[in-house]
Amino acid sequence: GENVEQHPSTLSVQEGDSAVIKCTYSDSASNYFPWYKQELGKRPQLIIDIRSNVGEKKDQRIAVTLNKTAKHFSLHITETQPEDSAVYFCAASMDTGRRALTFGSGTRLQVQP
Amino acid sequence: DGGITQSPKYLFRKEGQNVTLSCEQNLNHDAMYWYRQDPGQGLRLIYYSQIVNDFQKGDIAEGYSVSREKKESFPLTVTSAQKNPTAFYLCASSPRDRDYGYTFGSGTRLTVV
Repeated sequence: GENVEQHPSTLSVQEGDSAVIKCTYSDSASNYFPWYKQELGKRPQLIIDIRSNVGEKKDQRIAVTLNKTAKHFSLHITETQPEDSAVYFCAASMDTGRRALTFGSGTRLQVQP
Repeated sequence: DGGITQSPKYLFRKEGQNVTLSCEQNLNHDAMYWYRQDPGQGLRLIYYSQIVNDFQKGDIAEGYSVSREKKESFPLTVTSAQKNPTAFYLCASSPRDRDYGYTFGSGTRLTVV
């Protein structure tokens, strides 16, 4: 089955700096890659996603890049703010067969004011 | 509550007892999922259902059971066979088409006493 690895497990940045979180996946059939943000005590919320026919997608301060050949994808947050502090999860799934998302282990991002 | 409701928020189970976690959605989503969240391990798939009266085991189904008698409801039973049930349980739903964005419930924290 699919296996998603996520790095780093913790990340501390200064306010205004950029943050990058990286994930690799094992199943070349996976074609959908979402990112979720989970604030303390709250439910995960979808922040951005990308499909395999696209190499990069941006939404204001966040962007996701995908390299299907290398089977890795990354989340980029620019101009970080204290409210970006949360746990971020990457995930992967495919259109056919098992469609349920396989999640990475999470990255705890701390933005220092 | 975002269209998907989990109850109760906190649940305490005695050794050898079965307990059932409720998950109800009014989003008209066909697919529903149960994940378990432990610190540092991300979200692990327990069971999922893509249509009424059908469900599949996830990666850690042992000691759990589910039913899907109605589109809106996907209850999870934690049986006495689950040796380490203390965790945070998240229910999610999504449409069956290509847009797989999950909507998560607010979770149930289960503790064995």
